[in-house]
Amino acid sequence: DTEVTQTPKHLVMGMTNKKSLKCEQHMGHRAMYWYKQKAKKPPELMFVYSYEKLSINESVPSRFSPECPNSSLLNLHLHALQPEDSALYLCASRGTRAEAFFGQGTRLTVV
Amino acid sequence: TQLLEQSPQFLSIQEGENLTVYCNSSSVFSSLQWYRQEPGEGPVLLVTVVTGGEVKKLKRLTFQFGDARKDSSLHITAAQPGDTGLYLCAGRSYNTDKLIFGTGTRLQVFP
Repeated sequence: DTEVTQTPKHLVMGMTNKKSLKCEQHMGHRAMYWYKQKAKKPPELMFVYSYEKLSINESVPSRFSPECPNSSLLNLHLHALQPEDSALYLCASRGTRAEAFFGQGTRLTVV
Repeated sequence: TQLLEQSPQFLSIQEGENLTVYCNSSSVFSSLQWYRQEPGEGPVLLVTVVTGGEVKKLKRLTFQFGDARKDSSLHITAAQPGDTGLYLCAGRSYNTDKLIFGTGTRLQVFP
């Protein structure tokens, strides 16, 4: 069982919708990641939070808005997405040797 | 831009065969991990290597970190159908929160 929980597992949204992806970890890690993964491609880094502060934004469009309410929670707010944003969105927390512990992901479809 | 190139990109073998996957970069990493990912799921950590020249064994899997900490290999002995999946290396450079994934190797093991 993964110790990083992502909800929802699947999400279909229209281009005018606002939705949020949620991620929770209870391993006491102080850094968390958001990745985007397209089919048959490796995960691409989007954001990194360290000690609840945004430390890296990989030039992600503003229609993706991350939030870290506390050290256990990470959200990704979505607004006015495009069909090409459809992908598997992965959250991970970082262990003591920089290893990533991933959730099961949210399969997002933008229609 | 840090790049982690994996080879081969695809590998299709019979049960019982041995194989090696390579992960190469021009950058130096403070640590490097290997993950396996199944369709629709998040990557699962297999191993972390942190010392140049380090060799780690996990049952039939042997991982090696290059002496210069720029490359790594994964060797599987007597592959089984359960080894089928996407194998990803990932590296973290010094003084950065980034964890960058390699291009991936898709392995198919036939009974």
